[in-house]
This record gives sequence, structure tokens and C-alpha cells, in this order.
Amino acid sequence: GAGVSQTPSNKVTEKGKYVELRCDPISGHTALYWYRQSLGQGPEFLIYFQGTGAADDSGLPNDRFFAVRPEGSVSTLKIQRTERGDSAVYLCASSSETEAFFGQGTRLTVV
Amino acid sequence: DQQVKQNSPSLSVQEGRISILNCDYTNSMFDYFLWYKKYPAEGPTFLISISSIKDKNEDGRFTVFLNKSAKHLSLHIVPSQPGDSAVYFCAASSLNSGNTPLVFGKGTRLSVIA
Repeated sequence: GAGVSQTPSNKVTEKGKYVELRCDPISGHTALYWYRQSLGQGPEFLIYFQGTGAADDSGLPNDRFFAVRPEGSVSTLKIQRTERGDSAVYLCASSSETEAFFGQGTRLTVV
Repeated sequence: DQQVKQNSPSLSVQEGRISILNCDYTNSMFDYFLWYKKYPAEGPTFLISISSIKDKNEDGRFTVFLNKSAKHLSLHIVPSQPGDSAVYFCAASSLNSGNTPLVFGKGTRLSVIA
């Protein structure tokens, strides 16, 4: 596809469950970012991949959050034992050199 | 502590007039600044950027001004159009430190009234 694609667009899950959010970056982009946006806030950095490796995971809030990018393209953000406070829009972006292109986001609701 | 601050959560402007959105930053390592626009249920889309070696960058109706000594940048939209109504995010990064992730402000919701 031409842009960054995120699936699902919406996810409702029960507290305590495990969820996976997927991101398909723009072809050829080696840098991939995950952000989280809560209501009334700007996107908050979670983790950054350069190729297959996590170059910076300092934004992950705790060890329930984990992300992988095994082949340097598609990335999956994994959240274990979800809590109501995890409810937010999770944004993925891929980057050429200086500009990040965002997907439409996955709205996660933990009930 | 917020490294990128957008102190106005909202702004209303009449169609045809100038919209000025402001952004302040605290990290002196930031050397690249961007503005993103976001419509509901969509991801942010890139609008315009400026490197710290410049103090102005213009693209059509959009101009970004950077005042490094004040650690302040602003986005000017002129003339404003109803389709410009959206949330605008200021973002910053440090390219000289190895392409660090973008740090975003909280956004300013612009409403352009016809």
C-alpha cells in the first residue's frame, strides 16, 4: 500500500486480556515508531525500531508492553494483562529521513 | 516535564483571516521542528517543517517561524479556510543526536468559522 496501515482500526477487549496491534509501514522505510495518544493529549512516544532492532524503547510504560519487528517491516505491539488505563489510540509511523508518516491508528478500549 | 508545549488548547479564527499557532520547547538539543495536522479518526499528517539553521519556511498558505533564542516556533496560516479546522501538533526532534523520535505537544484545536 501507499501509506502506513494499522489493524485493527478498533479493538475492544476485557480487562486482563492480551491484545496485539499490527502496523504495516511504508515499503522501504527502515524506521518505525509506536506512539500512544490519550484524549486531549499529543502523541506520546512508546518505542522506535531501526530495522529489526528496537533502537529506543524508553517510552514503554511498563513490562506489560512489548513490540517486535522480526523482519524489519511489519511490527506488532503486544499488551499483556490489559488495564482500563491502556485505553487510547495507538499510532504507528514510519520514517524516511526527516519526516514521519502516520497510520490512522488503532483505538483500543479496555472494558 | 513537557519538552514541547502548546499552551493554547483551542483557537477560533474567521475565514480569510490569519491563524497563528504557537509552540515552545525546552530542550536545546532539538534541531528539527515539524507541524502535523490531525482530523478526527485519522492519523496525524505532515504539514511543514523547519530546520534550526533557518528561521522561516514557507509552503503556500503555511509559514513556520523559528526563534531559537526564545525556543519558540509558530505556524501561520493565511488566509484561513474552513477545511483548515483540525488539531495541529507541534513536534521536535534532534537529528544531530541520531534521528531521535519526535516529541509532540498536546495540540491546538483550530476552528475556522465561515
